[in-house]
Amino acid sequence: GQQLNQSPQSMFIQEGEDVSMNCTSSSIFNTWLWYKQEPGEGPVLLIALYKAGELTSNGRLTAQFGITRKDSFLNISASIPSDVGIYFCAGTTSGTYKYIFGTGTRLKVLA
Amino acid sequence: SQTIHQWPATLVQPVGSPLSLECTVEGTSNPNLYWYRQAAGRGLQLLFYSVGIGQISSEVPQNLSASRPQDRQFILSSKKLLLSDSGFYLCAWTDSFNQPQHFGDGTRLSIL
Repeated sequence: GQQLNQSPQSMFIQEGEDVSMNCTSSSIFNTWLWYKQEPGEGPVLLIALYKAGELTSNGRLTAQFGITRKDSFLNISASIPSDVGIYFCAGTTSGTYKYIFGTGTRLKVLA
Repeated sequence: SQTIHQWPATLVQPVGSPLSLECTVEGTSNPNLYWYRQAAGRGLQLLFYSVGIGQISSEVPQNLSASRPQDRQFILSSKKLLLSDSGFYLCAWTDSFNQPQHFGDGTRLSIL
């Protein structure tokens, strides 16, 4: 099925570093969502974005809804070991009940 | 507040056996419900979604089926499991379209 292009696929960073990841789509989205998944658990919602250009923060996390409505970005500042996990973006378009998910960015933090 | 429950958490089944995974949502009414499968280290594949009792939309032809016998209950079934049915199965709900999906803790299914 259709998927978003999410990059990078994986990241190894030092504790304290900032992290950036993004998602791009060939379609315009009405909503962008960012989730974190830890091993053996379901994805947990981090940030939801509803308008083009919207910038929303959740603690050390900041996400943006791209102006073109075809991309979104997630930044994590001053990473800590508990940031380890897989980060997924997801989006919705009008006229369908389906949510399209990215392929995930696997983040590992080295203490 | 709303909560979502999936069970069992893990399941080991022989090839050819039947399957029934259950998902229930509390604290909301008429949710949109979804079943996803996730292969190890991979993204989420949408299997089924439902916008109301008895209404099921299937995304991929496969060995599985879904049912929604009650407003907040979503069941994933199979009559005969295949090795390829192994994976991590996730149920999700949303109040309305364009609102965030919320996921259960998943069921790890291993087929022997």
